[in-house]
Amino acid sequence: GAGVSQSPSNKVTEKGKDVELRCDPISGHTALYWYRQSLGQGLEFLIYFQGNSAPDKSGLPSDRFSAERTGGSVSTLTIQRTQQEDSAVYLCASSLLRADNSPLHFGNGTRLTVT
Amino acid sequence: AQSVAQPEDQVKVAEGNPLTVKCTYSVSGNPYLFWYVQYPNRGLQFLLKYITGDNLVKGSYGFEAEFNKSQTSFHLKKPSALVSDSALYFCAVRVPGYSSASKIIFGSGTRLSIRP
Repeated sequence: GAGVSQSPSNKVTEKGKDVELRCDPISGHTALYWYRQSLGQGLEFLIYFQGNSAPDKSGLPSDRFSAERTGGSVSTLTIQRTQQEDSAVYLCASSLLRADNSPLHFGNGTRLTVT
Repeated sequence: AQSVAQPEDQVKVAEGNPLTVKCTYSVSGNPYLFWYVQYPNRGLQFLLKYITGDNLVKGSYGFEAEFNKSQTSFHLKKPSALVSDSALYFCAVRVPGYSSASKIIFGSGTRLSIRP
């Protein structure tokens, strides 16, 4: 497909378990972003990958959160020892690198529910 | 501190009436301005952007936005609302010249409800 793809679309997990969320950006987009959105609320920046540069991790809320991007394409966001407050929609977006006026293209998100 | 404000959590308009969703910003330099829309259970979709030039920009679904430099505003408008316009709308500002994602600032969102 031509858009940003995220999987799974929904994930229910028990407190304390680890989860992995996947993002497949638009081909050719070298900038990739992860955001978190609580129910019907605004966006919380988590992490940003830009080409081969070191990622901007300044938004990660705790050391239980990590992300990687392999081969400059697919990204995985990992949450270890999940807590109930981690329940949210996790959105991935991609854009053209070094094109500040290029809009972000978002996936449909992964809805994470921690029970 | 740099910020984007959407002063209204919710805007309610009757179908066929004009609508306005407000956005003001406080950033250094000459930012790029964006509007996104989010439908239920979907990611954000790009609507329109202002980079430079004409202060009135037109976007998808009949929406337009007016850039006002003196008031540092970028209000979203539509002359005649449709029920299908009901969604969550986000204003965003990007400070040019910075590659960090932290320089993309999103507003808190405004829920637009169009009643038949």
